[in-house]
Parts: sequence; structure tokens; C-alpha cells
Amino acid sequence: DTAVSQTPKYLVTQMGNDKSIKCEQNLGHDTMYWYKQDSKKFLKIMFSYNNKELIINETVPNRFSPKSPDKAHLNLHINSLELGDSAVYFCASSQSRYNEQFFGPGTRLTVL
Amino acid sequence: DQQVKQNSPSLSVQEGRISILNCDYTNSMFDYFLWYKKYPAEGPTFLISISSIKDKNEDGRFTVFLNKSAKHLSLHIVPSQPGDSAVYFCAGRTGANNLFFGTGTRLTVIP
Repeated sequence: DTAVSQTPKYLVTQMGNDKSIKCEQNLGHDTMYWYKQDSKKFLKIMFSYNNKELIINETVPNRFSPKSPDKAHLNLHINSLELGDSAVYFCASSQSRYNEQFFGPGTRLTVL
Repeated sequence: DQQVKQNSPSLSVQEGRISILNCDYTNSMFDYFLWYKKYPAEGPTFLISISSIKDKNEDGRFTVFLNKSAKHLSLHIVPSQPGDSAVYFCAGRTGANNLFFGTGTRLTVIP
């Protein structure tokens, strides 16, 4: 029973393509997040959603668009992929905006 | 602008001895500090946290110490076990649950 799951686990694609990464949590949490871990292992928040509403949007290019169809899902859509988008993307969730975050296993995106 | 720094990328410790992982931060507005543990091909797992108004929090073999004047915290693991081998991330939290992570320290516990 995976608490926070992400698909796909690996994603290899060409520059300029559009791709999506899906995230689902079965913990009944209200808040979900997307993080990016770059090649220097620096893990940085991208977005935070609370009850399907965006509450944090760090300095992320607008090619990245999170979509939350319901409380249990927060998908990440990326347009016009660039080489610098290659990274590991982690989804996370928490009971509320003030509780510990539970992370998914990550999606390794490689842009060629 | 890295607000949380872990200056030791790796640490090796003998089984049974103490592991001390260090973390420095610059943002005085952090209200909580958290340690996460990460195994390869998995996401980070929450380990222990400490409020900014405390100087110590203990949970079993894990203790976190906070020195606010020095903007420094450390995680002590005693006794260290081979299963503790992983990458440990320190994070500072702002009020909106926005976590700022360090770059991690890889701990290797030698049997």
C-alpha cells in the first residue's frame, strides 16, 4: 500500500516535448507538493496545493503547470521541455499545511 | 540562495558508535527544523523534527540539537546501525510548510 505514488518512475524525452507526471496519495491529506532535485542534489519546492488551491508557487517557469483534479491527486504538466528540466521530481503530501510531509519515490526525468 | 547548508557530503562511522550530522541555516524565520532520511530510489522519509523554541528533541536513538545563536543544528544517532546508512537531509520550515532542504549528507555505517 503505497502512501504517495508517482508515475512514471522514469521518463526520457526529447527537448520541446510536453509531458506529465502523475501523483496520487491515499493518506487523506489536504496538502500536496512538488519538489525538484537537481544534479547537485538540491531539493527545492516548486508548488504547494491545499484543498486543490495553489498556496505556494516558487520561481518556477510557467511551462510548469500543476493540476489538481481532486484532493488525492496533484499532477505536474511540463510544456516545451528543456535540457535543464532534467532532474528527479518528488511529490509529497501532508495532513495540513503545518504537518510533516510524506514523499513519493520520485520521477527521474531526462531531457535529451 | 541556499538557506540550509550541509557542508559534509559524506560521513563514515563504525557500527555502535555515534553519528553526528551537521546543518547550518541562514533564515531566522524558520519555525521548525526537520531531518529526513533517504534511501536510493526512494523518496525522503521524515525522521525527527524540532521546534525553533526548543534546543533538543529526542526520539529513541535519534536526537536533534538546535543552537539558534549559531544557526546550527545537528542530528545524533547512537548507537549507529548498518541500516542507518542513507542520505540525511536537513530542512528548515517557514510558517506555510515551505521546506528548504540542504544538499544532504551520505552516512555509511560500517559493520
